[in-house]
Amino acid sequence: DVKVTQSSRYLVKRTGEKVFLECVQDMDHENMFWYRQDPGLGLRLIYFSYDVKMKEKGDIPEGYSVSREKKERFSLILESASTNQTSMYLCASRPPWGQGRSPLHFGNGTRLTVT
Amino acid sequence: AQTVTQSQPEMSVQEAETVTLSCTYDTSESDYYLFWYKQPPSRQMILVIRQEAYKQQNATENRFSVNFQKAAKSFSLKISDSQLGDAAMYFCAYRSSPINFGNEKLTFGTGTRLTIIP
Repeated sequence: DVKVTQSSRYLVKRTGEKVFLECVQDMDHENMFWYRQDPGLGLRLIYFSYDVKMKEKGDIPEGYSVSREKKERFSLILESASTNQTSMYLCASRPPWGQGRSPLHFGNGTRLTVT
Repeated sequence: AQTVTQSQPEMSVQEAETVTLSCTYDTSESDYYLFWYKQPPSRQMILVIRQEAYKQQNATENRFSVNFQKAAKSFSLKISDSQLGDAAMYFCAYRSSPINFGNEKLTFGTGTRLTIIP
């Protein structure tokens, strides 16, 4: 079974702090994603990556950046955390784009609170 | 841009009964994929069922089936013989054909919270 591991289940940070959310997958998937989940808004894509050192902006990239130095690891970075970034963050991975019917495999989410 | 609409924020069903969750989407593409994901209280998103747009036959996975109406852009999920473990948030999602390289993202609806009444 594919395992996608997010380093923290709950995180509390202060406004202005630099925050790192880490995600590791163990199935050698090329594609990795960061979503944000908010009540009434569903899941919205922040960034995705289809290879090492490659990244693409999603629908809501403002205030975020990402890093993919190794295939198995995809990090989401909040350069200067703000209260409107309080949310649930979900990481996901999937096999290469040619296998379009392949579903996303998700981590358990990190609930981030910025105070 | 594609959009996915789930018009039922909450639904409830008696245990062992059948429930249908609605999903509509908007797209100009002819080839795409549709998914239903389940998110229980554990927060782990789990794939329930998927449908390829080029297939006319509705997908079925045990107690879960879909009613895919391509012309109407509708993709509803039917859960038969509802069980307590089915209680979760359900998300409908759309993905473009992989022919469109770089069009990797899944577009999600806002979700339907399903409660199972014992």
